[in-house]
Amino acid sequence: QSALTQPPSASGSPGQSVTISCTGTSSDIGYYNYVSWYQQHPGKAPKVMIYEVNKRPSGVPDRFSGSKSGNTASLTVSGLQAEDEADYYCSSFAGRNTGVFGGGTKLTVL
Amino acid sequence: QVQLVQSGAEVKKPGASVKVSCKASGYSFTSYCMHWVRQAPGQGLEWMAIINPSGGSTSYAQKFQGRVTVTWDTSTSTVYMDLSSLRSDDTAVYFCARDRFRFWSGYFDSWGQGTLVTVSS
Repeated sequence: QSALTQPPSASGSPGQSVTISCTGTSSDIGYYNYVSWYQQHPGKAPKVMIYEVNKRPSGVPDRFSGSKSGNTASLTVSGLQAEDEADYYCSSFAGRNTGVFGGGTKLTVL
Repeated sequence: QVQLVQSGAEVKKPGASVKVSCKASGYSFTSYCMHWVRQAPGQGLEWMAIINPSGGSTSYAQKFQGRVTVTWDTSTSTVYMDLSSLRSDDTAVYFCARDRFRFWSGYFDSWGQGTLVTVSS
């Protein structure tokens, strides 16, 4: 159960789009469609932004979208806004009723 | 509305154990799985365990096998996470999080406020 691999940082200007990758293995992301993305602001609990690869919970702006190809999942934030600046974490089911998170990506809105 | 209220901060010595509670309200307690996730200072999220309160089945991350035990009390709608043989690198904020489904879906739709556990001699 090694952590999923995310880039430590990403950035974009307001209005631009940014994509964050999350690489796992054929035993987690590559095999299951239970990939989620979480947004965490400093000192706060995480908030789910995407679940089951590309589904958005009610209330999450459609600027947030998810996808998956092979062992890599991606989160795209379109039309960047200042409030999108936060840490983002991916997670995946890893079999045997266990799961794993990515190391996190700090998104900076320039 | 759904609420998860965790117990307060703890300071423990190396080798000791800690028990963190998570009291749920606003929904049918036995209808959803509960997870434990921790976050060391300045670090990322780490999945630890899941419990299905309907039946009590549990699963643990391999890293914590033998050191963590998750239990539940349906009479008080409370889930407990017990971590033993504490080390300094167990210092972290521990969160409980409800899974939106009756299985490991990754859709953690409600989170507790977090409990800081500090391990220091």
